[in-house]
Amino acid sequence: DIQMTQSPSSLSASVGDRVTITCRASQSISSYLNWYQQKPGKAPKLLIYAASTLQSGVPSRFSGSGSGTDFTLTISSLQPEDFATYYCQQSYGHPLFGPGTKVDIK
Amino acid sequence: EVQLVESGGGLVQPGGSLRLSCVASGFTFSTYWMSWVRQAPGKGLDWVANIKQDGSEIYYADSVEGRFTISRDNAKNSLSLQMSSLRAEDTAVYYCAKLVVVTATYWYFDLWGRGTLVTVSS
Repeated sequence: DIQMTQSPSSLSASVGDRVTITCRASQSISSYLNWYQQKPGKAPKLLIYAASTLQSGVPSRFSGSGSGTDFTLTISSLQPEDFATYYCQQSYGHPLFGPGTKVDIK
Repeated sequence: EVQLVESGGGLVQPGGSLRLSCVASGFTFSTYWMSWVRQAPGKGLDWVANIKQDGSEIYYADSVEGRFTISRDNAKNSLSLQMSSLRAEDTAVYYCAKLVVVTATYWYFDLWGRGTLVTVSS
């Protein structure tokens, strides 16, 4: 099995802050890493696939990078609607999803 | 509008059965793999099962193998999940999701329904 970790597990930030979330896989997954945003009571939403490709309609303040085992999701300037939980996901093995990073208001 | 709408959730006793449904609209359902993903209250996302366009390939998480059955009816743009021998740990919101399969080892979920809550309790 592949183990996925995310750090931090939670963070507090202010509107306008630059936020970086890290996802690490226990073995190489090439660039096959995806990011989702989930707001309370809502379904997850795909933000980024293939580590760095922005899904259609997702604001350009979101970006992704990385390959192999280490990946990052960056929000360049946090907006009020970005307070949510973020999950990384791979499909090489199970479990698929990281444990999540909750971003809340400072 | 492109959307997935789940139904069929509810309260069921341990050992009981329940059938979830998902109706797709706004895209050509028959040309996509589909999936079920669940989320226990206050917990993270947990993949349940995938089904190929024509139903010829099906994959399950170890935790549900032998108890859950995923199926689809392309004529009705619908996806189903038959759940039996339910346990308390199956309590979750169940999401229907459209899958983009790039390779056998690379796939992702690009459209999700709002989910339906299944509660397993006596």
